[in-house]
Amino acid sequence: EPEVTQTPSHQVTQMGQEVILRCVPISNHLYFYWYRQILGQKVEFLVSFYNNEISEKSEIFDDQFSVERPDGSNFTLKIRSTKLEDSAMYFCASSESGLRPREETQYFGPGTRLLVL
Amino acid sequence: AQSVSQHNHHVILSEAASLELGCNYSYGGTVNLFWYVQYPGQHLQLLLKYFSGDPLVKGIKGFEAEFIKSKFSFNLRKPSVQWSDTAEYFCAAVSGGYNKLIFGAGTRLAVHP
Repeated sequence: EPEVTQTPSHQVTQMGQEVILRCVPISNHLYFYWYRQILGQKVEFLVSFYNNEISEKSEIFDDQFSVERPDGSNFTLKIRSTKLEDSAMYFCASSESGLRPREETQYFGPGTRLLVL
Repeated sequence: AQSVSQHNHHVILSEAASLELGCNYSYGGTVNLFWYVQYPGQHLQLLLKYFSGDPLVKGIKGFEAEFIKSKFSFNLRKPSVQWSDTAEYFCAAVSGGYNKLIFGAGTRLAVHP
C-alpha cells in the first residue's frame, strides 16, 4: 500500500538555524499538509498546499515557515530560524484529488521529531 | 473557536471488554468527522469517517462510531477489544470551507491480555 514518507526521522538543531523537513506524498495525491504535535499537546494544523500554492495556513505558520514542492515528488517544510518552541513532531499528510477535500482521507507520514537546543 | 474534545485521556481494558471513547465537537454548521489511530511506532491511520448519510459508521478492525448531531458527539465503539488494539486514538473534525483537520487531544488505550 502506498505510504507517505518523511525524512529525517529525527533532527536536532541549534536555535536560530534553518531546518528543512522533507516529505514524499503518495504519488497520485494532489493535496498536501503539514501538522505538528508539541509534546503533550494536540496535533495542530500548520498549512495545506494545492496546485502549487498555499490553500490555507494557521496562525502558527508565520514568516519563519515556508513550504515548497521543488519537484514532482517532494514536499518540504522550511523553518528559517528555529526557536526552542518549534521543538515538536512534524507530520506530513496528503489526500487524493482535492475535488471534495473535506471528505477525503488524509494519509499521514511517520513524522519528523525536531529538537531545537 | 472550533474545537474537538476527547474526555478520556487514558483507558485501560482487559481483552474482550467493550470500548467506547468519547468525542465531542463544537461547530455550528456542516461537519465531517474522523477517527484516526496510531499504533506504537506507526503512522496515524484512518479508522473511519463520517460526512453524510447513515450516522452509524463502520470502520476497519471492527470499530464503529455514531454521529449524534443533537449531542455534537461522534463516539467510537468496539464490542470486544483485543491486545492489538493498544494504541492512541484521535478524533478529528473538518468544518467550513476548508479541509484542515482539527484534532482532539487523543486517548491512549491499553488492553491487557
